[in-house]
Amino acid sequence: NAGVTQTPKFRILKIGQSMTLQCAQDMNHNYMYWYRQDPGMGLKLIYYSVGAGITDKGEVPNGYNVSRSTTEDFPLRLELAAPSQTSVYFCASGKPLAGAYEQYFGPGTRLTVT
Amino acid sequence: AQSVTQLGSHVSVSEGALVLLRCNYSSSVPPYLFWYVQYPNQGLQLLLKYTSAATLVKGINGFEAEFKKSETSFHLTKPSAHMSDAAEYFCAVSENTDKLIFGTGTRLQVFP
Repeated sequence: NAGVTQTPKFRILKIGQSMTLQCAQDMNHNYMYWYRQDPGMGLKLIYYSVGAGITDKGEVPNGYNVSRSTTEDFPLRLELAAPSQTSVYFCASGKPLAGAYEQYFGPGTRLTVT
Repeated sequence: AQSVTQLGSHVSVSEGALVLLRCNYSSSVPPYLFWYVQYPNQGLQLLLKYTSAATLVKGINGFEAEFKKSETSFHLTKPSAHMSDAAEYFCAVSENTDKLIFGTGTRLQVFP
């Protein structure tokens, strides 16, 4: 049981390039999330998904896109990378906990845009 | 709207001393509250959670937190700090929804 896995661990992009951050989970959780973490800012939700084929915007979705074709995978796409997207990106999956969701996090992808 | 405030972006303690990390929340309904820990260059790991079953919640690695509705607080404590506790700690709140709102984090340093 690997939990939540993310690839790559590190990436350097030039301004204007595109890339996809991969995320997979093997816990059969319906909910999945993408966050970005910037120093002193905590975690901000980019997009989330409540199940295959369903996605919704979080707090900071601009410049990103997602898709969810299977329960296991939730890739995050960056189009036209900008320096403001330099950050650490975390994927998480969610397990129901009464009326809320307990989230399990991947190890993160550190992205630098120069 | 729900929110979380973590007082103190950095906390330093000596090994063996009490650890106290503060978290205050704002919520219009009884919340679910979480503490996560992030070790250097790693993802977030759940330390403990409050789901209204008991106000004193025990978590992993000797940490515990007490839910105080009158103070809207959910402070994290550990009686005796270890060097291995050095990490960043995040408080999070969920208002009966599928999303978490995170605080800005507190970095704990432990000195020998």
